[in-house]
Formats: sequence, structure tokens, C-alpha cells
Amino acid sequence: NAGVMQNPRHLVRRRGQEARLRCSPMKGHSHVYWYRQLPEEGLKFMVYLQKENIIDESGMPKERFSAEFPKEGPSILRIQQVVRGDSAAYFCASSPLDRAAGNTIYFGEGSWLTVV
Amino acid sequence: KQEVTQIPAALSVPEGENLVLNCSFTDSAIYNLQWFRQDPGKGLTSLLLIQSSQREQTSGRLNASLDKSSGRSTLYIAASQPGDSATYLCAVGYGNKLVFGAGTILRVKS
Repeated sequence: NAGVMQNPRHLVRRRGQEARLRCSPMKGHSHVYWYRQLPEEGLKFMVYLQKENIIDESGMPKERFSAEFPKEGPSILRIQQVVRGDSAAYFCASSPLDRAAGNTIYFGEGSWLTVV
Repeated sequence: KQEVTQIPAALSVPEGENLVLNCSFTDSAIYNLQWFRQDPGKGLTSLLLIQSSQREQTSGRLNASLDKSSGRSTLYIAASQPGDSATYLCAVGYGNKLVFGAGTILRVKS
């Protein structure tokens, strides 16, 4: 059973470009979470999605960031018009059921975004 | 505000020592608490998950305790090995959201 798959693992973008990060959850998992780890900071929650629904986006910046988890295909975290402050590691996690009910979540290896 | 603090920030011990990592949280209305390990440039590996109704969980050389009323958790590592060297993260679950501490960087010297 493959783990949470993220790609690309490393991405370099110039200021003003768009970054798209993809996450395929573990097989059988329908709950996806995105976290961001800024340099020298801890991981911060961004968004929680189920298939075709955004459940909690309280950690998402108000502008330029969006996330989706379509019925078919991976979850996508999209960052428009990137700035240097967006440089970070973006981690995706998944769980089979509602994490609040006590299920462990499993993290991917992360996507490292560098904005130059 | 939900904050999680981990002490110490870094720890260096000789191989074979038993050690304790500490985690404290400000909001005691937690669903659960999870300890993770992170290796440099890698993702997070779940070590132990403690539900809010539990006091401790054990897996191999690892034991995690939870005291909700005082807002504390400890991760105990017995007979440490060089392969245990990593960053250890405490994450407190509030509903479907995890609030992470900054981590403890552990180095076990052979």
C-alpha cells in the first residue's frame, strides 16, 4: 500500500509565477490535509478537504492560495503569483476517516518550493 | 490561542541513555495528541497517537503520556540509539486540525 504521494518534491519558481503542488492520498483515504513548514518555524495547518469539498480552510492565506480535491485525481494546492515568502515545505497528509474521531493521519514526503 | 511548546529545543545524549521529551499545550480541549518523527528533508512519521481519554501509549522503546488537565505530554525513549537522531514533533489535535510544536532536535552519539 503506497503512502501519501506528493509531487513535485522540489519546485523552483520565479516571483509572479504559479506553483501547483499535487497530493495523492493513501489508497482508501478520502480526507486530505495540507500543512506548511516555513524556514525555522513549525508546521502550520492550511486546509482540510474531503472529495469535492473544502471542510476547513481557516489556515489558508486569504489571497493567492487555493486548494481542491476533485472526485477523480489528486488534491491540488495552487499558489498564484508566488512571492519569496511562499518559499517553504508543503506537506500533505491523509486519513481514512475523520481525524477528529481519533484516526491517525499519514504525511507525505513534502514538496519544497523555492521562489527566486 | 492554541499554542504548543516543546522543551528542550535540542538534546544531545550518548547512546544507551533513556531520555524524555516534553510537550505542553495551552488549550486543554484536545481531541488527541500525536508524536511524530521528522528526518532532515523528509516527511513526518507517526510514532504514537494518544486519544484524549487515554493516559499513555507504548510502542517498542517509546512511551508517550498525556495529562490533559495540566496540558502536558511526555515522550520517553528508552535505550537511545544513533538511529533515533531526528526531530521529534508534538502535535495536538483540535478537531481535524493539528497544532504543532517547534520540535526537539535529538542527536544520539555513538
